[in-house]
Amino acid sequence: GAVVSQHPSWVICKSGTSVKIECRSLDFQATTMFWYRQFPKQSLMLMATSNEGSKATYEQGVEKDKFLINHASLTLSTLTVTSAHPEDSSFYICSARDDSGAISTDTQYFGPGTRLTVL
Amino acid sequence: GDSVTQMEGPVTLSEEAFLTINCTYTATGYPSLFWYVQYPGEGLQLLLKATKADDKGSNKGFEATYRKETTSFHLEKGSVQVSDSAVYFCALGDYGGATNKLIFGTGTLLAVQP
Repeated sequence: GAVVSQHPSWVICKSGTSVKIECRSLDFQATTMFWYRQFPKQSLMLMATSNEGSKATYEQGVEKDKFLINHASLTLSTLTVTSAHPEDSSFYICSARDDSGAISTDTQYFGPGTRLTVL
Repeated sequence: GDSVTQMEGPVTLSEEAFLTINCTYTATGYPSLFWYVQYPGEGLQLLLKATKADDKGSNKGFEATYRKETTSFHLEKGSVQVSDSAVYFCALGDYGGATNKLIFGTGTLLAVQP
């Protein structure tokens, strides 16, 4: 089946530093990837849609200058949390939509997530 | 806007009990509906889906029927196992815009005891 990886699986950083999280589709091409944030005991909140070769589309309330997204190839999207602060600590999850599938059935494949802790 | 409402957990059952997790949705148009499962320490996995009214999605003994008249997509399993313990998310596919994004419910934790 389709596999999506994320790296790193967890990261601890100091306040004010930047952290980059990678999302890769391992056996399929993904023009579109999604970045979510999951708080404890809460649902996934879509942060942005990453489009290969173009700018990401951010959801309302998400700071595009703080959460930089780059989708440079059909198998890789990166999320950079700039000048991280403790309130950015969360579980970040990416998903990828297989380009070979019909949009109307839209199966997204999810990565295992990255736990970010900002001290 | 579109939304998904799930029953709150946790749901605690004994092995071989019957499971129902309720899910209702609000949407314009005709979304696809999904159930995703998140096992401890793992990423979300698609459990089943239905793309139009009256469709029944099924997988691993779980099933859910797309009910347009009641805007529901309840998850059921006749006999749960300890290995079914996980968080279950109901979601709808919002295809009204360019992003074609998924909208998730809050998730329901299922704990199955031996």
